[in-house]
Amino acid sequence: KNEVEQSPQNLTAQEGEFITINCSYSVGISALHWLQQHPGGGIVSLFMLSSGKKKHGRLIATINIQEKHSSLHITASHPRDSAVYICAVSPTGNQFYFGTGTSLTVIP
Amino acid sequence: DTAVSQTPKYLVTQMGNDKSIKCEQNLGHDTMYWYKQDSKKFLKIMFSYNNKELIINETVPNRFSPKSPDKAHLNLHINSLELGDSAVYFCASSLRGSVAPTEAFFGQGTRLTVV
Repeated sequence: KNEVEQSPQNLTAQEGEFITINCSYSVGISALHWLQQHPGGGIVSLFMLSSGKKKHGRLIATINIQEKHSSLHITASHPRDSAVYICAVSPTGNQFYFGTGTSLTVIP
Repeated sequence: DTAVSQTPKYLVTQMGNDKSIKCEQNLGHDTMYWYKQDSKKFLKIMFSYNNKELIINETVPNRFSPKSPDKAHLNLHINSLELGDSAVYFCASSLRGSVAPTEAFFGQGTRLTVV
């Protein structure tokens, strides 16, 4: 069983919709990361958080340490948000466990 | 300025060959990583390395070896390539924190195709 589980695996939304991607993990962590990977592209780090909530533009990430759960929200989604979103956790400072990713397609 | 750069971006080679993928970071980070992303987009760590410690994922075949000429570089050497080695390989770096990890920066990936 993977240490990090994401849902849904695939998500299609209409432009403008509010999107939520969930991440649950089973190990103790120091931090949780949300990453974005565009088709054929590299991986970009969106957020690193260890408690509470962070916001960057239309993206919001929250984490509940007690419940071992995090969510990534996208408000007013746009076709350029189409990408794979990956949740990763750091049990220690130099190790990462990755979720399987959520493939998001935003339709105009 | 590219923070983490990998070369080449694409690599097509025949079975049995030996190849290398280079990775360089200009962030001053002390820890670098190699990840393999399979066809299902699942990332698996292969190595993490700083100038004191190499941590190897025990599932990685010993045909794969990291080589670090200095703190800013971690190259991946692959011997006797096999069809199953075809994947996208990502390099990453971070500032190691035993208690408080820092953000990781990823390279653009190298798509390796073994024919």
